[in-house]
Amino acid sequence: ETGVTQTPRHLVMGMTNKKSLKCEQHLGHNAMYWYKQSAKKPLELMFVYSLEERVENNSVPSRFSPECPNSSHLFLHLHTLQPEDSALYLCASSQASTSEDEQFFGPGTRLTVL
Amino acid sequence: AQSVTQLDSHVSVSEGTPVLLRCNYSSSYSPSLFWYVQHPNKGLQLLLKYTSAATLVKGINGFEAEFKKSETSFHLTKPSAHMSDAAEYFCVVSDRSGGSNYKLTFGKGTLLTVNP
Repeated sequence: ETGVTQTPRHLVMGMTNKKSLKCEQHLGHNAMYWYKQSAKKPLELMFVYSLEERVENNSVPSRFSPECPNSSHLFLHLHTLQPEDSALYLCASSQASTSEDEQFFGPGTRLTVL
Repeated sequence: AQSVTQLDSHVSVSEGTPVLLRCNYSSSYSPSLFWYVQHPNKGLQLLLKYTSAATLVKGINGFEAEFKKSETSFHLTKPSAHMSDAAEYFCVVSDRSGGSNYKLTFGKGTLLTVNP
């Protein structure tokens, strides 16, 4: 285990549903990240939070809404998604977004949008 | 801008034979380079990283990689493959790209198959 947990592990939702993905890190890190992993495409960085402030939003559509209430928790709120949003969503954490330290990844949430 | 090219999308080896996974990168700054491994239904795990110290980097599970600046390469090798090495491997470059935050750029991944 990497010290980063994600729930749920699998999620199936319709295009009109609203759901949330949760990530929790037990490593005492100060930076957290959301990535999207689609088949046959490189991992795409979506959001970066450092010390609970969003420091990067990589041109992600507004139907994805992140929330970081404290340094240990990160949420991704989903609404009115499209089928092309189906992917593995990975959460990661690191000591700080300004260091070269490695990122620790959770197991991911497999999202299917019908 | 930085980029990563993993030259093979799929590599197949026999158990006990050497593994070579190729990676080339481009970066405007002095980069850090990483290899991550992803087993099925798991998150990514760091194998090794280069951060401007020794150019030959040793990682976990017998893997190593050599940073060659002249060739802009960071190939991953292992002398003898084990069945448990079957997974997807990602080469990653990290630099500041002009900003204050480090940004990771991932390659598309190489799927390693190990045959008995």
